[in-house]
Amino acid sequence: EAGVAQSPRYKIIEKRQSVAFWCNPISGHATLYWYQQILGQGPKLLIQFQNNGVVDDSQLPKDRFSAERLKGVDSTLKIQPAKLEDSAVYLCASSLDVGRGYEQYFGPGTRLTVT
Amino acid sequence: GNSVTQMEGPVTLSEEAFLTINCTYTATGYPSLFWYVQYPGEGLQLLLKATKADDKGSNKGFEATYRKETTSFHLEKGSVQVSDSAVYFCALSDQGGGFKTIFGAGTRLFVKA
Repeated sequence: EAGVAQSPRYKIIEKRQSVAFWCNPISGHATLYWYQQILGQGPKLLIQFQNNGVVDDSQLPKDRFSAERLKGVDSTLKIQPAKLEDSAVYLCASSLDVGRGYEQYFGPGTRLTVT
Repeated sequence: GNSVTQMEGPVTLSEEAFLTINCTYTATGYPSLFWYVQYPGEGLQLLLKATKADDKGSNKGFEATYRKETTSFHLEKGSVQVSDSAVYFCALSDQGGGFKTIFGAGTRLFVKA
């Protein structure tokens, strides 16, 4: 079974520029997550989708970050405009469903450097 | 709110040594508990999990027991190998938190030959 795919793997941009990340979850997984992982910290949930609806986006900086999940499959996360503090690894994960004990499967991540 | 606290690293051990990585949690409800591992250059992957009190999760020689009385989920392995060098994350997911997964800060393990 194919895993969670993400692209690009690395991105370097200047502050105030925009950037977009793409994620393709495991086939059949209803739940998709975007996390931000700053160096030396654990992943922090930015947004969670159940099929193509948003379940939780309480920690998404909505003035600059946006995300969508078209047709309940692929997802994109956009940052516009980027700030220096957005430098991090952005992880996409998916799970079969949401609930007690469901395992999340993670993609390799996109390392973003904002200069 | 829900939170996870794990011991700071890095932890450096010699091969075949005993490993313990401490993890304690705070949760409003009755969470599921997880250990995820991130090997160098790879993505996060589930190592083991436990969904109720006194459950023991195990995988690849690692074990962790869900202790509700001490709100802990410590990771142990009897004999580590160089290939176990990685970053280990303790995490919880709780219905009271909408099943949002909360991760600890991670503990980096180095195993020397």
